[in-house]
Amino acid sequence: SQQGEEDPQALSIQEGENATMNCSYKTSINNLQWYRQNSGRGLVHLILIRSNEREKHSGRLRVTLDTSKKSSSLLITASRAADTASYFCATDGGNQFYFGTGTSLTVIP
Amino acid sequence: DTGVSQDPRHKITKRGQNVTFRCDPISEHNRLYWYRQTLGQGPEFLTYFQNEAQLEKSRLLSDRFSAERPKGSFSTLEIQRTEQGDSAMYLCASSPTGVLWDFGPGTRLTVT
Repeated sequence: SQQGEEDPQALSIQEGENATMNCSYKTSINNLQWYRQNSGRGLVHLILIRSNEREKHSGRLRVTLDTSKKSSSLLITASRAADTASYFCATDGGNQFYFGTGTSLTVIP
Repeated sequence: DTGVSQDPRHKITKRGQNVTFRCDPISEHNRLYWYRQTLGQGPEFLTYFQNEAQLEKSRLLSDRFSAERPKGSFSTLEIQRTEQGDSAMYLCASSPTGVLWDFGPGTRLTVT
């Protein structure tokens, strides 16, 4: 079964706006990662945040982690049409990662 | 291109046929993973190799599924007697450490 759950399931915004998506998980983790998937393609790693970190930045991406609430958020600032994709959080679980069901982001030009 | 590659990218087969997919990981990565993703869902773990050893298999990997990684390089995933429920994207990933993964483009299987 999948451990992470993203919210919302779908998000539609205008180009230039910020997009925020959330991930909740069930058990303790060592790290949490966010991936992007364009339609029909493989996953691209965006950012990793370790359990002892609270916030991390990478370009237009900002990830937060609250281990007490077992949740993480991904903020994409100044969105572009090319950001249109599905976004997944993944939590470590032994030899594998558990992926959520994803947030489908549409950025309207 | 030195990324993870998968072949074929698309496969259409009739129910009951056998299919085999191949994954070529990044050469220095000793860890290799297979995942399955159905439409609208996140990827689900199938199996994990460290070098040539298959160390973990999901309950999703029924008796009709078999995976190999001879010599610890490329890997194959075979599905025997395919069923319509096997229609999905099959993703391969590799990693040197088990923390940061590189995913391949996937093989989309359609069983008619």
